[in-house]
Amino acid sequence: KAGVTQTPRYLIKTRGQQVTLSCSPISGHRSVSWYQQTPGQGLQFLFEYFSETQRNKGNFPGRFSGRQFSNSRSEMNVSTLELGDSALYLCASSLLTGGGETQYFGPGTRLLVL
Amino acid sequence: SQQGEEDPQALSIQEGENATMNCSYKTSINNLQWYRQNSGRGLVHLILIRSNEREKHSGRLRVTLDTSKKSSSLLITASRAADTASYFCATAYSGGSNYKLTFGKGTLLTVNP
Repeated sequence: KAGVTQTPRYLIKTRGQQVTLSCSPISGHRSVSWYQQTPGQGLQFLFEYFSETQRNKGNFPGRFSGRQFSNSRSEMNVSTLELGDSALYLCASSLLTGGGETQYFGPGTRLLVL
Repeated sequence: SQQGEEDPQALSIQEGENATMNCSYKTSINNLQWYRQNSGRGLVHLILIRSNEREKHSGRLRVTLDTSKKSSSLLITASRAADTASYFCATAYSGGSNYKLTFGKGTLLTVNP
């Protein structure tokens, strides 16, 4: 099976802009989670989608949003970008949700905000 | 705050030696997972140990879990230069729909050839 794919791999934006990142999970996986990774804060959970519904959300401002489509592909959007949003954004998929399934990670999208 | 905390933050060893990394957490968990990340890339799942298990093996990896002490350890035996990476523990909270994995800040392992 093909792994988790994320597009784009690299992105440069300026403050105030918005950005949309895309994630295609492993075929058959219905859960997609998003994480932000920075040197200072480490890996932080953003949100999880399962069957097009947001199941859980981390402690991020409302500028961070996401959605999941019927084919399980997911997008996350960050509006009004700030310098601190520069990070590696990782998407992970799993077969089911609840109880802590093994996560399969994509390669990430590295976002630089100038 | 982060649920899991790895110790040490960095570890440097020679090829062929064993590497031990520890993880402590604060609340009850469904399971604990270990992941590896090569520089700036996605994470790779290594092993999952459930709260009712005490030890698990996978190839050169051995994981232990002590729920009374809320701690876990990852042992990599006969290390290789290719094991150089950051290693993260992640805890999955108990409770059905309120699931999420919470990661520690990781241990950077350097294996010198």
